[in-house]
Amino acid sequence: QKEVEQNSGPLSVPEGAIASLNCTYSDRGSQSFFWYRQYSGKSPELIMFIYSNGDKEDGRFTAQLNKASQYVSLLIRDSQPSDSATYLCAVNPDNYGQNFVFGPGTRLSVLP
Amino acid sequence: DTGVSQNPRHKITKRGQNVTFRCDPISEHNRLYWYRQTLGQGPEFLTYFQNEAQLEKSRLLSDRFSAERPKGSFSTLEIQRTEQGDSAMYLCASSVTLTVPDKNIQYFGAGTRLSVL
Repeated sequence: QKEVEQNSGPLSVPEGAIASLNCTYSDRGSQSFFWYRQYSGKSPELIMFIYSNGDKEDGRFTAQLNKASQYVSLLIRDSQPSDSATYLCAVNPDNYGQNFVFGPGTRLSVLP
Repeated sequence: DTGVSQNPRHKITKRGQNVTFRCDPISEHNRLYWYRQTLGQGPEFLTYFQNEAQLEKSRLLSDRFSAERPKGSFSTLEIQRTEQGDSAMYLCASSVTLTVPDKNIQYFGAGTRLSVL
């Protein structure tokens, strides 16, 4: 069974700090990796996706992928209270469909 | 059309009743997905359509659940003889088939929250 694991948190960081969110996955053949942000009671919102080993930066967000270690992370620089949410890691088992496998999410709290 | 639309937003029903949810995907998206999410968990895949064809169903989708996408546009998810364990947020997502490589970015609707009493 394909699994995606995340620390459930809560992860608390002070405003302005770097928040580091981690995700591991079991299916070595997985191709694409996504980070979604979900505010309480709302739907998941795409933050970033990555499919090549290394780092990918978008504004304050950096996704890091290491396929050999089956590990993907999300760094949030200059964390803001508005970043407080649950961050979901999603893994696409292949490049041609179909369903994502989601982790349970990590709850991030940015303290003013 | 600015996003995935789901109706209703909330549904309260009594155990044993049937319920139906609707999802309207982003207009140019040919793929449509249903997920279920319970409190403190990530979304769990239920089923997936490409155009009108239902290509994959999770083992979570019992015989009481059925989904359709008759014209390859909107989709409905029906739950028959609801049980208290069906209480959850039902999320719909859509994506467009890209060529090489397929990044399969899924965009989610606001969800339908089902409460079975």
